[in-house]
Amino acid sequence: GQNIDQPTEMTATEGAIVQINCTYQTSGFNGLFWYQQHAGEAPTFLSYNVLDGLEEKGRFSSFLSRSKGYSYLLLKELQMKDSASYLCAVLDSNYQLIWGAGTKLIIKP
Amino acid sequence: EPEVTQTPSHQVTQMGQEVILRCVPISNHLYFYWYRQILGQKVEFLVSFYNNEISEKSEIFDDQFSVERPDGSNFTLKIRSTKLEDSAMYFCASSETPASGRVTEQYFGPGTRLTVT
Repeated sequence: GQNIDQPTEMTATEGAIVQINCTYQTSGFNGLFWYQQHAGEAPTFLSYNVLDGLEEKGRFSSFLSRSKGYSYLLLKELQMKDSASYLCAVLDSNYQLIWGAGTKLIIKP
Repeated sequence: EPEVTQTPSHQVTQMGQEVILRCVPISNHLYFYWYRQILGQKVEFLVSFYNNEISEKSEIFDDQFSVERPDGSNFTLKIRSTKLEDSAMYFCASSETPASGRVTEQYFGPGTRLTVT
């Protein structure tokens, strides 16, 4: 079966750095996405990785290791508005997005 | 900035009734999707649509579901006979190119919250 695992919840302090991990086992791999979802709202795109390595985009970076079936999202200089769920999703061999359950990130002052 | 729109924002219906959820994808996008998210659970893929036909569908997308692009702008999801377990947020998404080509991100609409009573 297909499986994507991420921690259910994490807490961090404003101004700090947090790393959200994601591991996956899917039928095929055509890339991994990170989306942000505020409560009651639609997911919004953060990053896409298809090759191994680190992709940096402002305060957010995403890393991929295909051999380990592993990715992480790194958020720097945390702001209160970063409080949200962070969804890891893998594009499988049928080009369907398979979603993790999301990691709820709580930012404390 | 172009965006995906969905109507209605909230739909309440009785079990057994038919509902149509509407979406207007971004105008130059060619690939369209429907997802659902039951409250507190993960996003689930329902169907993808390209060139006026279904490209992929999940096990969830059974005979009670259908999709249609009735004109050049709208993309609809019909649920023929709703069940209590169909209560969820339904998201429409679109992307610039077919997913099997150069992969681009999917842009999501704000969602329709469907409540079946």
